[in-house]
Amino acid sequence: EAGVAQSPRYKIIEKRQSVAFWCNPISGHATLYWYQQILGQGPKLLIQFQNNGVVDDSQLPKDRFSAERLKGVDSTLKIQPAKLEDSAVYLCASSLVPAGYGYTFGSGTRLTVV
Amino acid sequence: QQPVQSPQAVILREGEDAVINCSSSKALYSVHWYRQKHGEAPVFLMILLKGGEQKGHEKISASFNEKKQQSSLYLTASQLSYSGTYFCGTAVSYNTDKLIFGTGTRLQVFP
Repeated sequence: EAGVAQSPRYKIIEKRQSVAFWCNPISGHATLYWYQQILGQGPKLLIQFQNNGVVDDSQLPKDRFSAERLKGVDSTLKIQPAKLEDSAVYLCASSLVPAGYGYTFGSGTRLTVV
Repeated sequence: QQPVQSPQAVILREGEDAVINCSSSKALYSVHWYRQKHGEAPVFLMILLKGGEQKGHEKISASFNEKKQQSSLYLTASQLSYSGTYFCGTAVSYNTDKLIFGTGTRLQVFP
């Protein structure tokens, strides 16, 4: 089966600019997650969707981050405006419900804010 | 709260064994284990559920002590391909599969 697709693979922007990341999960996976992974740390959950509804966005900095999942398939994560501390890898993952089968992660987008 | 993993780093020779521990301060429903190679996405290894059995495949197995909220990952007769950073991910209920990932353990296997 096809894996979780993410784009772009790399992105360099200046602080205060905006950026968007795209994710296409595995077909049939109802649950989609966005994680932020800062170098040397474990992934930190930003937002969880089930179908096209938000299950958990308690860790999402809503003053600058937004995410949507239209039609319960693709998802977009946006940062506006970006700060230096947003430099990280943004990982998208999907799973069946419940996740007794584990998450499948995409290759991630490495964001550098300068 | 983030699960704590120990040790932080392990260096092995091929064929040696290692144990990686994951401890949580919360009662857990499940524990996942993932391996992440440098510059790549985490890859799912296995899941342990509350009330379930010790899991394993090939030379990698894991256990889950529900009373202590701890899980251990056992790597036996390590291979070069085992090198990477290992993360546990914990979930507190059946209804949500939201994972909180641990602090990570970096494993390096040398010939």
